[in-house]
Amino acid sequence: QKEVEQNSGPLSVPEGAIASLNCTYSDRGSQSFFWYRQYSGKSPELIMSIYSNGDKEDGRFTAQLNKASQYVSLLIRDSQPSDSATYLCAVNARGSTLGRLYFGRGTQLTVWP
Amino acid sequence: DADVTQTPRNRITKTGKRIMLECSQTKGHDRMYWYRQDPGLGLRLIYYSFDVKDINKGEISDGYSVSRQAQAKFSLSLESAIPNQTALYFCATSDTGTGAEQYFGPGTRLTVT
Repeated sequence: QKEVEQNSGPLSVPEGAIASLNCTYSDRGSQSFFWYRQYSGKSPELIMSIYSNGDKEDGRFTAQLNKASQYVSLLIRDSQPSDSATYLCAVNARGSTLGRLYFGRGTQLTVWP
Repeated sequence: DADVTQTPRNRITKTGKRIMLECSQTKGHDRMYWYRQDPGLGLRLIYYSFDVKDINKGEISDGYSVSRQAQAKFSLSLESAIPNQTALYFCATSDTGTGAEQYFGPGTRLTVT
């Protein structure tokens, strides 16, 4: 059973602060890692992909990957109320199920004005 | 126009009825997936297909069947709907490759009474 664990939240931060979302995974052979944002009642939207150890920045979002620790995180700088959503961590599977993603249960983020 | 479409968007049906959810995509992706989402349980994979002749069971395939009619179309059927199949259903697609990102349709909200 491949597991992806996220802080259950909810996480609440003031506008302008840094929001930090964390995810751990059990399959050491995983190669691809994704963060999705999901607004209530809407579909998941891909916001970040990361494949190598280190940081990857895209605008206000930074994904961090540490394969040795089996840990991936998402930082949101200058958080805005529009960032309020549930954030899903997803990890690919190796072997015969290449292409499958395993999702965490999500962390609900609220950014208050 | 949306790249991944799902029909219907909302459906209320009675216990024992057969129902089909349809997914179409214009992204040209080979891989397609069906997920269900329940509050607190995250996204769970029902079936997935890596090409027209390939169908695979996911974590929770019991009570469901699928048909891959063409590269662009992937349908999910509930042969005899039951109330605990009430959920939000998402179709997703991805390109080939080990780290392919998945893109989601808008979802179908299904209620079984």
